[in-house]
Amino acid sequence: DADVTQTPRNRITKTGKRIMLECSQTKGHDRMYWYRQDPGLGLRLIYYSFDVKDINKGEISDGYSVSRQAQAKFSLSLESAIPNQTALYFCATSGGVNYGYTFGSGTRLTVV
Amino acid sequence: DQQVKQNSPSLSVQEGRISILNCDYTNSMFDYFLWYKKYPAEGPTFLISISSIKDKNEDGRFTVFLNKSAKHLSLHIVPSQPGDSAVYFCAAWGGGADGLTFGKGTHLIIQP
Repeated sequence: DADVTQTPRNRITKTGKRIMLECSQTKGHDRMYWYRQDPGLGLRLIYYSFDVKDINKGEISDGYSVSRQAQAKFSLSLESAIPNQTALYFCATSGGVNYGYTFGSGTRLTVV
Repeated sequence: DQQVKQNSPSLSVQEGRISILNCDYTNSMFDYFLWYKKYPAEGPTFLISISSIKDKNEDGRFTVFLNKSAKHLSLHIVPSQPGDSAVYFCAAWGGGADGLTFGKGTHLIIQP
C-alpha cells in the first residue's frame, strides 16, 4: 500500500458543483499539506495542517476548504468548482524539516 | 514574488553526459534544500537534500552543490540515463514558512 493515498485519481465535474478530494497517510506524521500543480507554475500550497486541531491557509486558499478528520486523513473541498480550478492536486505528509515530504500520486481534476 | 527560481523550463542532455539543473533563491533564511523528481501521472518523489551548513551532498549519481553567498544550488546527474527524464523541482525549507517552497520545475530530457 502507498504511504499517501489520494482519491479519486481523476475527476471531471461541472462548474458550480461541490467536490471533495480525499487523502490518507500511513506514515504516522502530524503534518499534512495540499498543493496544486499547474503547467509552468510549479507546486503551490493551498492549505496545511500540523495536527487535527491546526489548519492553516497557504498561498492560494481562496475557493477551497479543508478538513482534518484524523491524524491520517486530510480532505480538500471545492465548495463551488470553477474552470480555473482545473489542475493536478497533490497531498503530502511530512515528519519535519529533515524528512522532506512524501507525496500522493495526485488527483487530476477537470472542471467543465 | 518567487522565492525559489528555476529559470530553465526544460533541458535536453545526451545519455551518458552530465546533467546540471540550477536553482536560485532569494530568502536568506532558507536553511534546508531538497530536490524532487516527478514522472507524469505520479507524485513528486524525494531525490536528494542538503543542509545550509554544507556545500555538497552526494548520493550515487546525484550530487547537490550549495553556494550560499550566491544563493544558488545545482543538481548534477552523472552519467545521465534515460530513466532520468522527468520534471525536477527544487524546494527550500525555512524562511519563516511552515512548509516547503517550490520552484516551477525543470523538465529534463535525456536523449539517446
